[in-house]
Amino acid sequence: GNSVTQMEGPVTLSEEAFLTINCTYTATGYPSLFWYVQYPGEGLQLLLKATKADDKGSNKGFEATYRKETTSFHLEKGSVQVSDSAVYFCALSNSGGSNYKLTFGKGTLLTVNP
Amino acid sequence: GAVVSQHPSWVICKSGTSVKIECRSLDFQATTMFWYRQFPKQSLMLMATSNEGSKATYEQGVEKDKFLINHASLTLSTLTVTSAHPEDSSFYICSAREGLAPLSDTQYFGPGTRLTVL
Repeated sequence: GNSVTQMEGPVTLSEEAFLTINCTYTATGYPSLFWYVQYPGEGLQLLLKATKADDKGSNKGFEATYRKETTSFHLEKGSVQVSDSAVYFCALSNSGGSNYKLTFGKGTLLTVNP
Repeated sequence: GAVVSQHPSWVICKSGTSVKIECRSLDFQATTMFWYRQFPKQSLMLMATSNEGSKATYEQGVEKDKFLINHASLTLSTLTVTSAHPEDSSFYICSAREGLAPLSDTQYFGPGTRLTVL
């Protein structure tokens, strides 16, 4: 079956620090990969996605590259801001009659201090 | 684009009453809608998947008669928590998937509904 493993938090950084949140996956076929962000008390927002190997998703300074050889989709940002404090979820979506259900990682809480 | 709304954003009800939560896709037609439950500091748990005009498909362990899902149109799905009890208190989040490529694999999430059952 499908599974997503992401680094456990919490992660605490100072403003302008470099961020990496690791994510690896197990899936059959060729899944699409996603990073979602959840701010306190809110639903999830799509941060970025990649649909095939070597694709790089990017948005708001965040990047992640779909690495099929290492089954990874690590999230990176060169300089975090206080406003980036949130929970980040790595997820995959597989077709094949599954209605594109999402399989989520457990989430990583990021706190950025000024 | 791809905005999903939920209503209400929070609700408090007495034990034994029923609560209905609406999920709407505002600027696209949602072939499939999903309902999730999230406990504090945890990931999302998929409760059910619904396709417009069809019966919802529930995940293992989710009571169909407890959590009634209706997906009557391509822009609206409702979740009704029947005879709610304190253990049903949670954060309920819906998502919607547009049926057309290349966005067909992407789910867009609503802002969530906080349910508190007294």
